[in-house]
Amino acid sequence: SQKIEQNSEALNIQEGKTATLTCNYTNYSPAYLQWYRQDPGRGPVFLLLIRENEKEKRKERLKVTFDTTLKQSLFHITASQPADSATYLCAPPPSNTGKLIFGQGTTLQVKP
Amino acid sequence: GAGVSQSPSNKVTEKGKDVELRCDPISGHTALYWYRQSLGQGLEFLIYFQGNSAPDKSGLPSDRFSAERTGGSVSTLTIQRTQQEDSAVYLCASSYDGSSGNTIYFGEGSWLTVV
Repeated sequence: SQKIEQNSEALNIQEGKTATLTCNYTNYSPAYLQWYRQDPGRGPVFLLLIRENEKEKRKERLKVTFDTTLKQSLFHITASQPADSATYLCAPPPSNTGKLIFGQGTTLQVKP
Repeated sequence: GAGVSQSPSNKVTEKGKDVELRCDPISGHTALYWYRQSLGQGLEFLIYFQGNSAPDKSGLPSDRFSAERTGGSVSTLTIQRTQQEDSAVYLCASSYDGSSGNTIYFGEGSWLTVV
């Protein structure tokens, strides 16, 4: 079956370092992947979309890559700040019936 | 409206009671989604509406759960005979037309506690 997998273990890094989060997919070839941020007690917020023909996409301190060979997307936050602490979710396109699933999310904790 | 609006924001109910959760999507958005998120867990897809139709109801956990959407706008999620395992935050989201690449906008959720 089609799966989207993110590392469920929390990622703890020091302020100023680069955080790298992983989203792996199996048994299908998504045309794009979306990344969302969720703060505790809040709904997710859209960050970036990367298409399969785009190797890399950037937005300010954020960078997303898409490797169709490895079936993986990497989400990087450079010069990380404590305010970047949140859970980050990846999502493939919806199914042909509109079902839109999200990965379990990876929680990032940036320590000052 | 400016964003996805959900009500109530918090609801405490007794086991066995029925609850109704409301979602008002962004004006003009035809696609509407309901998710459930238990504490510390990921988003669990419940149902998707395109207009007033729900082509995929596979995510509804049991026949105690139902959802409807009327007028292509407001949606209600109803949970009958609530159980303690229903305690979670219920998130609603909308997008322009549900097609690929649309950004999904979430509400702040309805926090349900069943005691």
